[in-house]
Amino acid sequence: ELKVEQNPLFLSMQEGKNYTIYCNYSTTSDRLYWYRQDPGKSLESLFVLLSNGAVKQEGRLMASLDTKARLSTLHITAAVHDLSATYFCGETSGSRLTFGEGTQLTVNP
Amino acid sequence: EPEVTQTPSHQVTQMGQEVILRCVPISNHLYFYWYRQILGQKVEFLVSFYNNEISEKSEIFDDQFSVERPDGSNFTLKIRSTKLEDSAMYFCASSHPGQGRAYEQYFGPGTRLTVT
Repeated sequence: ELKVEQNPLFLSMQEGKNYTIYCNYSTTSDRLYWYRQDPGKSLESLFVLLSNGAVKQEGRLMASLDTKARLSTLHITAAVHDLSATYFCGETSGSRLTFGEGTQLTVNP
Repeated sequence: EPEVTQTPSHQVTQMGQEVILRCVPISNHLYFYWYRQILGQKVEFLVSFYNNEISEKSEIFDDQFSVERPDGSNFTLKIRSTKLEDSAMYFCASSHPGQGRAYEQYFGPGTRLTVT
């Protein structure tokens, strides 16, 4: 059974600060996904990480993948209020995408 | 930009009634999925569909659930006899393995199902 664990589950941070969300996953999958969800909205794809050592950046968000440690990180640089949302990581086995519990990020002014 | 659409956005039904949730995946996508999210919880996989048959299903997807692609554009999820615990947001998603980021799943806006 796929198991994806994120931490922290809740993160309150100040604007301008940096922080990292961690995602541990259970299989030898080499595909790891990060999605963003705003309250009451759908999931928006942020990153797809396809191989060990992959690093992708979009604006203030940077995601990385270490398949040996079965760990992905989502790093937030100089947070702004617009980044407030819930962030889910997920791994696939076959066609099934299994998500973590999500990290609810609140960025305070 | 192409997107997945879902109807209705909100469905209220009485326990024991049948509901059909509708989705129009992105037109050239080949894989279709349903997920659900109970309020405040994580997103859970229900079923994947490819080449007109179910590829995988989760333990949640029991005999009360069925999926169908009745024509070239729609993809439906039917719940035969709804229970209170079926109240959730249901997301449809689609993907195309040969395009863009491999197997990236694009999600629709969701249908909020409320069973009373």
